[in-house]
Formats: sequence, C-alpha cells, structure tokens
Amino acid sequence: TQLLEQSPQFLSIQEGENLTVYCNSSSVFSSLQWYRQEPGEGPVLLVTVVTGGEVKKLKRLTFQFGDARKDSSLHITAAQPGDTGLYLCAGARASGTYKYIFGTGTRLKVLA
Amino acid sequence: EAQVTQNPRYLITVTGKKLTVTCSQNMNHEYMSWYRQDPGLGLRQIYYSMNVEVTDKGDVPEGYKVSRKEKRNFPLILESPSPNQTSLYFCASSRTGTPFEAFFGQGTRLTVV
Repeated sequence: TQLLEQSPQFLSIQEGENLTVYCNSSSVFSSLQWYRQEPGEGPVLLVTVVTGGEVKKLKRLTFQFGDARKDSSLHITAAQPGDTGLYLCAGARASGTYKYIFGTGTRLKVLA
Repeated sequence: EAQVTQNPRYLITVTGKKLTVTCSQNMNHEYMSWYRQDPGLGLRQIYYSMNVEVTDKGDVPEGYKVSRKEKRNFPLILESPSPNQTSLYFCASSRTGTPFEAFFGQGTRLTVV
C-alpha cells in the first residue's frame, strides 16, 4: 500500500509556466520533506514542513503543509529548464514508526 | 564534507553469487536505511536501522540482509542475488527525531544476470 500518492506523475511544460505538484495521504505525518532527484544521483532535500498549514518558500518554489498534516503541495512559479527532475515527497508517520516512506514521484520536464 | 558514501556505484553479477554493497556516513547519524528504486514503483524501503545493533524490515526486505555493527556503516548483503533484484539502490542516513531529513548516497546500480 502506497501511503503517499503524488500527482501528476509526469509533467512537461514550457519555460515560464507555473505548476503545482500534490502529495496526498490518509495518514497523519509528523513532518513531510520534499526532495529533488537528478538522473543517476540520490535525492537531495529541498525543504521540510512541520506545522499544519505551514508555507515555506525557496526562491521560486513554494511548499505548503496541509492543516491536518496529511498532504502537501509544491508550487513552482515561472519554471526554468534547471527545475527539470524527479520531485519526491517523503515522511515518517506521526504514529512513531521510523519507516520513512516516499511518494510515487513527479517527473517534471521544463522545455526551453 | 558531510556525505553518505556507497560502493560500488555499478555492479554486474551472476545469479546466486553473494555480494555486499557498502554504505558509510560521516555525520554521526543514528538512523540509516536502504532503498531500491524501480521505474513505476518509486523508492521502496528495504531495511532500516535506528542505531547500532538495531535493525528492522522495511517494505521489501525479502532476499536482503543488513547489519549495523558500527554507527557509521550499514552494509546491504544479497546472499543469493536473483534477476528481480536488478535495481538502483540507495543508502540514506538521518538524525532521529523530528524533523526527519535524509541524506542519500549516490546510488548503486546493480544488474543480476
């Protein structure tokens, strides 16, 4: 059972467009992380959200944690080719388990 | 430099020949974990370790073994590899507690023929 569902799975957009990626679960998470992975490399941490309703910004990337801490979103403004990659959400459930799970991933391609 | 180091990066082996993929971290992290990444299936956790001598199964532990004799090392052992274990493997480490933020190695691409 996949506990973190991401949508969309694939996204191909033109440079300058905006986009939103969603990460949803029926479980409550103590925190959620977003990672970006380049081909042939390990995922690299972008941000952590901890508090329900929290919004964090990283340049053109805006991350939001749902009020109930069951979902999160990543919004990219004016996407650039350098944003191309696989975006992953991840978290450890608030129940105390240390099974750290990853979402299904969103593969983004930004065309110049 | 803080890092997680995996070796080897690439490995081609034959069915049934025991192999070990090493993982070492220099951040004094308590938590270490192994994942495999397959197209369409994402990152799936194989085993994790909360600290020395403490290991537990993830979602896909069959066919794998791990050990945690030292805090910095967490090797992944395939006693009798099979072709369905062909995959991209990642080791990760983290502090325990909230928030839980993982640092990943560069990956090991394993092919079992």
